[in-house]
Amino acid sequence: DIQMTQSPSSLSASVGDRVTITCRASQGITNYLAWYQQRPGKVPKLLIYSASTLQSGVPSRFSGSGSGTDFTLTISSLQPEDVATYYCQKYNSAPFTFGPGTKVDIK
Amino acid sequence: QVQLVESGGGLVKPGGSLRLSCAASGFTFSDYYMTWIRQAPGKGLEWVSYMSSGGSTIYYADSVKGRFTISRDNAKNSLYLQMNSLRAEDTAIYYCAKGQLGPDWGQGTLVTVSS
Repeated sequence: DIQMTQSPSSLSASVGDRVTITCRASQGITNYLAWYQQRPGKVPKLLIYSASTLQSGVPSRFSGSGSGTDFTLTISSLQPEDVATYYCQKYNSAPFTFGPGTKVDIK
Repeated sequence: QVQLVESGGGLVKPGGSLRLSCAASGFTFSDYYMTWIRQAPGKGLEWVSYMSSGGSTIYYADSVKGRFTISRDNAKNSLYLQMNSLRAEDTAIYYCAKGQLGPDWGQGTLVTVSS
């Protein structure tokens, strides 16, 4: 099965900073990659699918890129409400494995 | 609007069984794949299983294969997860989700496996 890794596992940044999270698949998954945000105590929320398509209602400061095995999630200007854990998920074929998550907080 | 409500969680002893339900509304349930995802306390997300709209396609995570069974009743707009031979490591919040890939998830139901 394809394994998903994320880096870093956690980060701390200031409000307004540009934040980048990396997700890597152990084999190519073309662009079948989604990103989720899970705020503390809340249900995960889909941010991006097809590696770079923003889900309806998601702020434009979020963007995704990549294809094949390497993907990034970028928050262009970190806001206090972005404190959360971010997960990537591959969905080219089952199992639809999640990455281990990246915890983002405010410095 | 889409609503997914899980039920059936609770405390069960190792080796026991539990059946989770997910009641769906606000969309044409029979048109969609449905998925179960779980999250152990303080841990990350783990994809568990999905089933196609008509039930002909089913996949399981290796961690639950042979112990869990996904099913659905399109007439009742409901998704199920039969969990047998439960282990401590199955302790988690179990979420159902519409489709193979979000964005709609229920609030989850907590399953605790402990003696």
